[in-house]
Amino acid sequence: AQKVTQAQTEISVVEKEDVTLDCVYETRDTTYYLFWYKQPPSGELVFLIRRNSFDEQNEISGRYSWNFQKSTSSFNFTITASQVVDSAVYFCALSEAGSSNTGKLIFGQGTTLQVKP
Amino acid sequence: KAGVTQTPRYLIKTRGQQVTLSCSPISGHRSVSWYQQTPGQGLQFLFEYFSETQRNKGNFPGRFSGRQFSNSRSEMNVSTLELGDSALYLCASSPLGGLTTDTQYFGPGTRLTVL
Repeated sequence: AQKVTQAQTEISVVEKEDVTLDCVYETRDTTYYLFWYKQPPSGELVFLIRRNSFDEQNEISGRYSWNFQKSTSSFNFTITASQVVDSAVYFCALSEAGSSNTGKLIFGQGTTLQVKP
Repeated sequence: KAGVTQTPRYLIKTRGQQVTLSCSPISGHRSVSWYQQTPGQGLQFLFEYFSETQRNKGNFPGRFSGRQFSNSRSEMNVSTLELGDSALYLCASSPLGGLTTDTQYFGPGTRLTVL
């Protein structure tokens, strides 16, 4: 069964601290895709990154980095030197390949990140 | 390129009424997916359309329906509204809509309140 677990409901940090958001997924497929989205108070989900199951390279984009480990079924997201503008709800999502899964993302429950000045 | 647009942004309806929400995808995108977001259930997949055909459907009652037009714009309809239908409805579009999962780009959502 497909499932995404974000165990951290809320995280509060002070500006400039590093913070890691955890994501654990479950799937029986060998081909799947993982995503991270950011949802600011305005409500729109903003795409951050997409990873396929065959690419375990970690990625860094500015202050953001992602650690994908198939051995532990985890796809964690780290923000370095957090800023107040990073305050938002962050979602991890999973999609399996195949016609029965077309266009369908399975989301975790989200982690609310509050960055205090 | 303009992003995904959704109209209206806010809606207030009463129980028993029906509602239609609209979504215009990013230009050139052919696949449109719909999601319902509630505090209790989180983000849940409703359905996906490609080339005017529904290709996938989530676990929602038949009161939830949708369609897609030849220009890829999509609408979703909820009939006989219930209080539990109060939610943020998000639409997402993706470029290719093939079997390989494309990245989905989301609109700002329609906030539906059922009284």
